[in-house]
Amino acid sequence: ETGVTQSPTHLIKTRGQQVTLRCSSQSGHNTVSWYQQALGQGPQFIFQYYREEENGRGNFPPRFSGLQFPNYSSELNVNALELDDSALYLCASSYAGEETQYFGPGTRLLVL
Amino acid sequence: AQSVTQLGSHVSVSEGALVLLRCNYSSSVPPYLFWYVQYPNQGLQLLLKYTSAATLVKGINGFEAEFKKSETSFHLTKPSAHMSDAAEYFCAVRQNTGGFKTIFGAGTRLFVKA
Repeated sequence: ETGVTQSPTHLIKTRGQQVTLRCSSQSGHNTVSWYQQALGQGPQFIFQYYREEENGRGNFPPRFSGLQFPNYSSELNVNALELDDSALYLCASSYAGEETQYFGPGTRLLVL
Repeated sequence: AQSVTQLGSHVSVSEGALVLLRCNYSSSVPPYLFWYVQYPNQGLQLLLKYTSAATLVKGINGFEAEFKKSETSFHLTKPSAHMSDAAEYFCAVRQNTGGFKTIFGAGTRLFVKA
């Protein structure tokens, strides 16, 4: 059983650019959530996808968007990057209705 | 609305001493509660979880936590600290009525002195 993987591990972008981060869920998991973890803070919930549809969103603007694919891999897209978007982005997968999420190692994004 | 407060952003203990990391939560519905550990440059690893069964929950690496509804607390303990326990610890809450959103505390960094 493979765990949750994320790519890339690190990324440097310039303010105003767009970025796509990728996540491969643990085998069989049909739900994925994305979190933003700024330096020195706890993770903040961005949104969750279930069966390719967004079914919950945190307090993040629309320039944060996502996709979930039939094989349950997913993407987080961020448009018009701002300096404050610099953070560790974590994805977590789970079975729908189960309370335990399994986290990937994260992608560290630096916006200059 | 749900929230989590972790008391103490930094805790330092000597190797072999008791570890106590404090977490208080607020939830309008019965919660699920979690403790996660994060090592440098890594993701989150689940230590233990409370899901309305036994109030004393045992986790990995010798950690345990007790759910106290009257105190709205879910403190994490370990009888004897090991150098390898040095990491960041996060308490988290999630509603158990089909909610999707997990709320994390700000974290407590544990230092273990030789």
